[in-house]
Amino acid sequence: NAGVTQTPKFRILKIGQSMTLQCTQDMNHNYMYWYRQDPGMGLKLIYYSVGAGITDKGEVPNGYNVSRSTTEDFPLRLELAAPSQTSVYFCASRHGRVGGNTIYFGEGSWLTVV
Amino acid sequence: QKEVEQDPGPLSVPEGAIVSLNCTYSNSAFQYFMWYRQYSRKGPELLMYTYSSGNKEDGRFTAQVDKSSKYISLFIRDSQPSDSATYLCALISSGSARQLTFGSGTQLTVLP
Repeated sequence: NAGVTQTPKFRILKIGQSMTLQCTQDMNHNYMYWYRQDPGMGLKLIYYSVGAGITDKGEVPNGYNVSRSTTEDFPLRLELAAPSQTSVYFCASRHGRVGGNTIYFGEGSWLTVV
Repeated sequence: QKEVEQDPGPLSVPEGAIVSLNCTYSNSAFQYFMWYRQYSRKGPELLMYTYSSGNKEDGRFTAQVDKSSKYISLFIRDSQPSDSATYLCALISSGSARQLTFGSGTQLTVLP
């Protein structure tokens, strides 16, 4: 039972490079989320999706893009990486039905932009 | 003012102590309340979940919600070194996507 799987776990990027963080879940969850976590700042929502083909901005979307072509996958794209995007990124998913408020997190992706 | 305020700590207690972790919130639309535990270099994992005022107990953990005061707490009895982690409160509003709003987390260390 894999749950939420993120890749890569660690990555160093140079300023201006682009990359995609991959996220996949095998629980047939409708809702998927990308959060970033900075030291002492809790988790901030970047983007979320309520189903395939539907995405929306969260609290801190600038510099990121997402797509949701399938229920399982929710990749996060960083365009023109900046040092301010150095952070830990967590993908999460939730079923979405009444009573399905439990959100499951991936193990995280540590990104450093230099 | 942040929507959710949580004392970041760090908090250090001796093994066996009772730990109290707290969050306050400002938006009365929050209806669901959770506590997540996050070990170093790991993703958050759900510890407790409640949606009503009052207490909910699960083993050594008790979650308390006071909606009138907009105050939530997590109590850990007989704390163990394995409880050393960052604890995050998380709240869900009754909005359409039911986004989680997190507190900043409290770093707890239980000393053997």
